[in-house]
Amino acid sequence: AQKVTQAQTEISVVEKEDVTLDCVYETRDTTYYLFWYKQPPSGELVFLIRRNSFDEQNEISGRYSWNFQKSTSSFNFTITASQVVDSAVYFCALSGYSSASKIIFGSGTRLSIRP
Amino acid sequence: SQTIHQWPATLVQPVGSPLSLECTVEGTSNPNLYWYRQAAGRGLQLLFYSVGIGQISSEVPQNLSASRPQDRQFILSSKKLLLSDSGFYLCAWSRGTASSGGYPYNEQFFGPGTRLTVL
Repeated sequence: AQKVTQAQTEISVVEKEDVTLDCVYETRDTTYYLFWYKQPPSGELVFLIRRNSFDEQNEISGRYSWNFQKSTSSFNFTITASQVVDSAVYFCALSGYSSASKIIFGSGTRLSIRP
Repeated sequence: SQTIHQWPATLVQPVGSPLSLECTVEGTSNPNLYWYRQAAGRGLQLLFYSVGIGQISSEVPQNLSASRPQDRQFILSSKKLLLSDSGFYLCAWSRGTASSGGYPYNEQFFGPGTRLTVL
């Protein structure tokens, strides 16, 4: 069975601090996808990144970076120099490789950035 | 580019009334379509998904149903709403294999959602 665990329910930091959101996953598949989504107060889920299981290179996009470690089944998300606009609920997710695979979402981490 | 629409944005309905939420996707063909529900402060619950016209898979037994009358239209319905049906309903689409050239990628793109309150 597939499972995604986001142990941090809520995180609150002061603006400009760095913050890391943890994500641990379980799957028996040898190939799979990992995702991160952002849900701002407006409610719409915004797709941030997709990572293939065979590509363990870390990725950086502006202030966002993702660390994928297959050995520990983790896919952590770091925001550098956080801003108030980063306040949202962040979901980590996992799916199999076929197009018919469903996405398994974690329970989400609510991130609050205080000015 | 692809866009996904949902309406209405908000809805207040009495217990026992019917429901119809609509979702349409533009700019792609043969998408996979999904309905999710999110209770207040909670995670996402997959309700239905569809890989083609008339093909609906249900994830959770309940008084809701879904239909896909056209390739890019997905409808969520109920004959009689319950209090427990209140929540935030999200529609999503992903590339089916036929439209992705064999590379599904699988990320889902979400609509703006419908906030349903059942009183």
